[in-house]
Amino acid sequence: DAKTTQPNSMESNEEEPVHLPCNHSTISGTDYIHWYRQLPSQGPEYVIHGLTSNVNNRMASLAIAEDRKSSTLILHRATLRDAAVYYCILMGRGGSNYKLTFGKGTLLTVNP
Amino acid sequence: GAVVSQHPSWVICKSGTSVKIECRSLDFQATTMFWYRQFPKQSLMLMATSNEGSKATYEQGVEKDKFLINHASLTLSTLTVTSAHPEDSSFYICSARDLGGSSYNEQFFGPGTRLTVL
Repeated sequence: DAKTTQPNSMESNEEEPVHLPCNHSTISGTDYIHWYRQLPSQGPEYVIHGLTSNVNNRMASLAIAEDRKSSTLILHRATLRDAAVYYCILMGRGGSNYKLTFGKGTLLTVNP
Repeated sequence: GAVVSQHPSWVICKSGTSVKIECRSLDFQATTMFWYRQFPKQSLMLMATSNEGSKATYEQGVEKDKFLINHASLTLSTLTVTSAHPEDSSFYICSARDLGGSSYNEQFFGPGTRLTVL
């Protein structure tokens, strides 16, 4: 499985933008880049995913490098409820490749 | 989005007993569900893939006779921890994909079940 590398932790202030980086230099051409987050004592929740183009949804934006070897999850205005562990995961298409392999993720702390 | 529930949310049992955890997709059908385990301050570890109507596929190192998975219907998968021991104490989480919905690329996770074995 292609691996991802994320910083162990990041800190942000409330209502400021947050850029969470992820390196995936061994990504294959058919791997999607998925982001999930896990709030304390809860199951993970989907944030966003993309393949080549930048993506936006109501939760966040995903900026994907042109060579696809890295990506950045952007939270436009962090709130205290965004404090969580953020996981960047590569997922191939089809069959058993739909299973998610979680790394250590980035623990985001949001200061009031 | 689609909703996945788990029951119970927490359970405490004595060493040597068996515990069953249920995972339900509430508003969609899930032919495939996934079971994860998470120890404190660690990441989620995939244990097995549960397939409706067939045997589960276990990840390397996961004992299939200890962690029994049954996926008898399109909305229910169960994980039974047999002869539980204190080292089995963990947070167990299931997930499912809604292949019939618009969010087929997402996995929907349950809220987790915290198991404590005394």
